[in-house]
Amino acid sequence: EVQLVESGGGLVQPGGSLRLSCAASGFPFSSYSMNWVRQAPGRGLEWVSYTSSRGNVIYDADSVKGRFTISRDNAKNSLYLQLNSLRDEDTGVYYCARGVEYSISGKPYYGLDVWGQGTTVTVSS
Amino acid sequence: DIQMTQSPSYLSASVGDRVTITCRASQSVTRYLNWYQQRPGKAPNLLIYGTSALPRGVPSRFSGSGSGTEFTLTISSLQPEDFATYFCQQTYSTPRTTFGGGTKVEI
Repeated sequence: EVQLVESGGGLVQPGGSLRLSCAASGFPFSSYSMNWVRQAPGRGLEWVSYTSSRGNVIYDADSVKGRFTISRDNAKNSLYLQLNSLRDEDTGVYYCARGVEYSISGKPYYGLDVWGQGTTVTVSS
Repeated sequence: DIQMTQSPSYLSASVGDRVTITCRASQSVTRYLNWYQQRPGKAPNLLIYGTSALPRGVPSRFSGSGSGTEFTLTISSLQPEDFATYFCQQTYSTPRTTFGGGTKVEI
């Protein structure tokens, strides 16, 4: 079964740090790009970070640039997100999601086809 | 950043109804537009990619259309399991993708 399982969330004070993990199983993890997407309470989805399949290409949303760091260990089938200098507005559920590329008439179309159940980060004093 | 705006934010409907949700982009995203369904307390699920293509296993009552800046998701006959929140996503600027604010479909 294709599965992603996040862990590492919790309650942290503003300015604090957390490290989220995402364990992948049931598919060749090293062949897929991966993403972190978050959802503030009662709000929509916000893309946070992207890493290519080998981890050599990384993109971050402007809202987390310089504070969050995405990484992966393909030998351990694991994705990580290091969260530093946390702010109240970082509160939410953090999902890891697998990137997939579909082909339509020879053109690539990108989507997020497998998601974990999410891990909750609460930033509060 | 490309901004995505969905309408309506909330939609009240009954089983068997035909439902249409609209998504507008702040600039053209050609056909790089996906839709996701999120049931309460669950992770999102990819419903449509490339504006109108359905991943394996998605029921055919779901369909998508549009191009450029205006897109629609249609559910031809609403089923009880379809009461959920739907999000559009542009992947024109992949991997810097953005989502719409969501449309909650309620009974």
